[in-house]
Amino acid sequence: SQQGEEDPQALSIQEGENATMNCSYKTSINNLQWYRQNSGRGLVHLILIRSNEREKHSGRLRVTLDTSKKSSSLLITASRAADTASYFCAASNFGNEKLTFGTGTRLTIIP
Amino acid sequence: GAGVSQSPRYKVAKRGQDVALRCDPISGHVSLFWYQQALGQGPEFLTYFQNEAQLDKSGLPSDRFFAERPEGSVSTLKIQRTQQEDSAVYLCASSWGTSGGATGELFFGEGSRLTVL
Repeated sequence: SQQGEEDPQALSIQEGENATMNCSYKTSINNLQWYRQNSGRGLVHLILIRSNEREKHSGRLRVTLDTSKKSSSLLITASRAADTASYFCAASNFGNEKLTFGTGTRLTIIP
Repeated sequence: GAGVSQSPRYKVAKRGQDVALRCDPISGHVSLFWYQQALGQGPEFLTYFQNEAQLDKSGLPSDRFFAERPEGSVSTLKIQRTQQEDSAVYLCASSWGTSGGATGELFFGEGSRLTVL
């Protein structure tokens, strides 16, 4: 079963705008990760945030984590057409090696 | 190769046939995972290996699914007597291993798309 939900399920924005995706999870985590998947391809790791961190940046990506609300958000700034993809959050739980993925947000950047 | 390699990329099987999907992880990666991804959904965990040991197979949907990694490198996911509901993309991922029980970055292959007619 899916660990959490991403919201929105789909998002379309103009190139240059910022895109924000949210993820909620159910159980205590060790870390939370975000992945990107282009159509018909495998997943690519974007960023990992540990449970004791609140915010992390990587290039145009900014991730926040609120463990009290069991939620995370991914912000992509100054979006580009190449950012069009599905984005998944994945939770790493204590004592459990597997990552549990959410349902994904399909992001479309309109040139 | 530099990345995780999966074969075949596409497989069409008639209902009842057996299929075998291969995963060649990144050299030196201790951990290997298999996931199943239905159309429009996120990946669902199937099974996990640490070297040759299958430590978690809780996600395998039935006893028709079997995975092995006999020498701690290449892994094979076998599905016996395929059913239409087995149609999905099967993703393999590998990583260096866990640190303190936490899984770090996973490196995914391109997946094997199975269609059962």
